[in-house]
Amino acid sequence: EAGVTQFPSHSVIEKGQTVTLRCDPISGHDNLYWYRRVMGKEIKFLLHFVKESKQDESGMPNNRFLAERTGGTYSTLKVQPAELEDSGVYFCASSQDQARPSDTQYFGPGTRLTVL
Amino acid sequence: QKEVEQNSGPLSVPEGAIASLNCTYSDRGSQSFFWYRQYSGKSPELIMFIYSNGDKEDGRFTAQLNKASQYVSLLIRDSQPSDSATYLCAVTGSARQLTFGSGTQLTVLP
Repeated sequence: EAGVTQFPSHSVIEKGQTVTLRCDPISGHDNLYWYRRVMGKEIKFLLHFVKESKQDESGMPNNRFLAERTGGTYSTLKVQPAELEDSGVYFCASSQDQARPSDTQYFGPGTRLTVL
Repeated sequence: QKEVEQNSGPLSVPEGAIASLNCTYSDRGSQSFFWYRQYSGKSPELIMFIYSNGDKEDGRFTAQLNKASQYVSLLIRDSQPSDSATYLCAVTGSARQLTFGSGTQLTVLP
């Protein structure tokens, strides 16, 4: 079974440019999460999809970030325009059944974003 | 006060010893508790989860949860050099997102 995949693995852009990150969850997982780790800080939650619906986007830092999950499969996270403080590693995770306390989130390899 | 606190380490133990990793959390409504292992430059990998008070064992790993003290720990028996990594404590509540600690860096010395 394929795990969570993310693309690209690295992205280097200049301030003011736009970047789109993609996440493909494990097949059959309705729950998809985006997290971010900025330098020296802990991993922070950004948002949670259940199928194609945004369940919780309380962690999104500002309106420069837009996440979509059309069709309830893969998800994209767009940053427009990118700022220096957006640099970090963006992780995607998926899980099967959020109703169970033991529901496990499986993480993708992450996208390392550098904004110059 | 951070929501999930861990000793950042680094923690060094000799091969074959027991490594003890600790975590405290501030939200009494937290329901499930997870230990992830993260090798440098890699994604977090689940080691164990626990949601009932007491101990839970899986091979060389034992997770311990004390909700009254808001404390969760991970013991690694017979530590191996391959266990050297950053260990992340994470909790969830009614909202299912993980809240992470900053991680404890463990080094197992051959």
